[in-house]
Amino acid sequence: EVQLVESGGGLVQPGGSLRLSCAASGFTFSSHSMNWVRQAPGKGLEWVSYISSSSSSIYYADSVKGRFTISRDNAKNSLYLQMNSLRAEDTAVYYCARISFNWFDPWGQGTLVTVSS
Amino acid sequence: QSALTQPASVSGSPGQSITISCTGTSSDVGGGHYVSWYQQYPGKAPKLMIYEVSNRPSGVSNRFSGSKSGNTASLTISGLQAEDEADYYCSSYTNSSPVLFGGGTKLTVL
Repeated sequence: EVQLVESGGGLVQPGGSLRLSCAASGFTFSSHSMNWVRQAPGKGLEWVSYISSSSSSIYYADSVKGRFTISRDNAKNSLYLQMNSLRAEDTAVYYCARISFNWFDPWGQGTLVTVSS
Repeated sequence: QSALTQPASVSGSPGQSITISCTGTSSDVGGGHYVSWYQQYPGKAPKLMIYEVSNRPSGVSNRFSGSKSGNTASLTISGLQAEDEADYYCSSYTNSSPVLFGGGTKLTVL
């Protein structure tokens, strides 16, 4: 079964840092590009970041550029999102999602990040 | 870049058909066959329902169909069922970033 499981969310103060992880199983992780997508409470989906299978191509949404870093470890079948200088508006459920050509499937169950003092 | 435009809500009675629109520009929706649709229940992860405008993944009911005309894509659900009540999001590849999502549409089954 193809599965993505996020972890690492929690409560952090404004200006703080957090590292999210996404463990992949059931498919050849090293062959697929991956993404982070977030959803603020009661709001819609927002694409955050993309990383190609070999990490050669990386993209960020303007809202997180310069503060977030996406990375992956193909040997560990894992995707990461290092989040620095966190703001209240970064509060959201963060999903990792595999991308095939131009659609996301599957998605993980999400991990909640709350930025508050 | 602004989100794709979807109606905030649509509703229909069981057995009826509804259509959710997703309007963008020639730089995204109108630029190719790269529109996908996702279903999301409260507190759950999104699920792929349609990819590349009109293709259904294995396991998705054939009551769900997609189409596109110009800069507007559409998701149609026929034979509406109570279990279809959820939020629906469109997304599209764009010229300037890997993907853009719509604002989401809440479907209510009356």
